[in-house]
Amino acid sequence: QQQVKQSPQSLIVQKGGISIINCAYENTAFDYFPWYQQFPGKGPALLIAIRPDVSEKKEGRFTISFNKSAKQFSLHIMDSQPGDSATYFCAASIFGETSGSRLTFGEGTQLTVNP
Amino acid sequence: ETGVTQSPTHLIKTRGQQVTLRCSSQSGHNTVSWYQQALGQGPQFIFQYYREEENGRGNFPPRFSGLQFPNYSSELNVNALELDDSALYLCATSRLAGAPKKYFGPGTRLTVL
Repeated sequence: QQQVKQSPQSLIVQKGGISIINCAYENTAFDYFPWYQQFPGKGPALLIAIRPDVSEKKEGRFTISFNKSAKQFSLHIMDSQPGDSATYFCAASIFGETSGSRLTFGEGTQLTVNP
Repeated sequence: ETGVTQSPTHLIKTRGQQVTLRCSSQSGHNTVSWYQQALGQGPQFIFQYYREEENGRGNFPPRFSGLQFPNYSSELNVNALELDDSALYLCATSRLAGAPKKYFGPGTRLTVL
């Protein structure tokens, strides 16, 4: 069962524009929501993360908006640059005493920023 | 770039064979997780090791097994390889078993023919 759903599957944005990627989750026990950026041939790199007691977090050009009641969160990339072209994954984490902390990933969004 | 390294970078095996993948943990990180990423999909959690013991497992069969060594490095072993095992295998490390921040290595690309 897919617990984290991500959209859109692909996104094309002009340089300087705003990229918006959305995710929805089902399990209310999730307590940590990171976004990862992955370039071809590389492993995912942690970009920014938020906890459910915060509605927004901003780091540079990247902002996470979090809506706990709707069980949704989104990544906004301001002033998008060609170097931002990559695949972005949202994820959710749940801590279990016997199972540690595991990440459940969305399906990914391939972002292309045209110059 | 994280301090997590994986070897080999690429690997080609035939169906039914066995494979061992290796991961060296980032300094100060004592927990290692393994993920499988099929082409065009998000990573899927295989299992996690903490203090040399498995302390969490995803929906993967027993032919996927692992080890963690005293220096926190880890191995992923897959027996009786199937075509569907072709994927990018990612290792992720963290400071503690419950630490949500995971730092991924570059992965090992496994192709099963």
